Amino acid sequence: EAEVAQSPRYKITEKSQAVAFWCDPISGHATLYWYRQILGQGPELLVQFQDESVVDDSQLPKDRFSAERLKGVDSTLKIQPAELGDSAMYLCASSPRDSTNEQFFGPGTRLTVL
Amino acid sequence: QKEVEQDPGPLSVPEGAIVSLNCTYSNSAFQYFMWYRQYSRKGPELLMYTYSSGNKEDGRFTAQVDKSSKYISLFIRDSQPSDSATYLCAMSAGLMNTGFQKLVFGTGTRLLVSP
Repeated sequence: EAEVAQSPRYKITEKSQAVAFWCDPISGHATLYWYRQILGQGPELLVQFQDESVVDDSQLPKDRFSAERLKGVDSTLKIQPAELGDSAMYLCASSPRDSTNEQFFGPGTRLTVL
Repeated sequence: QKEVEQDPGPLSVPEGAIVSLNCTYSNSAFQYFMWYRQYSRKGPELLMYTYSSGNKEDGRFTAQVDKSSKYISLFIRDSQPSDSATYLCAMSAGLMNTGFQKLVFGTGTRLLVSP
């Protein structure tokens, strides 16, 4: 069964360090999303790609976060510098081009900033 | 006020019980409604996807949408200990000015089914 892959699964870092997360969507899915989920809350969209283009990054803190999907397949989310408040689960999801409400999530990367 | 409200629980029930999980929303433009299940330390898994009002059934799960009351429900029949998880509702209003959908999630309800 096709799945969204993410790595690493867990990351512990110190504040002011740089961290990067990787996501490989389900093959053929044109739309890719990065969400942040704080414990006890629902996921919140950070950035959405259609192929290699950003279509929504209105909630991405651009002073420290960046995301790219250079070849329209896998994607990287970076935080530099990390802050204590960035501790959360970072989820990647993908969806088919013609059904963007049906989003399939990866296992997430749990980030702890010390 | 949040656009989507969901009781965080926990909701504790005995095995075999019928479970009712609910969300209310304030944005009348929402027309697509989803339920996700999330096990501890895992990503959300899409369970049910409905459009507009009405019911949809899939095995032990039934999703119900009442747009007039801005209220959606997920019913689980014959609940099992393996159903213990957090259930997230999500909804969207259709295409945004970006040309794409945007999901708004509830906070999730934690369900505990005891043997």
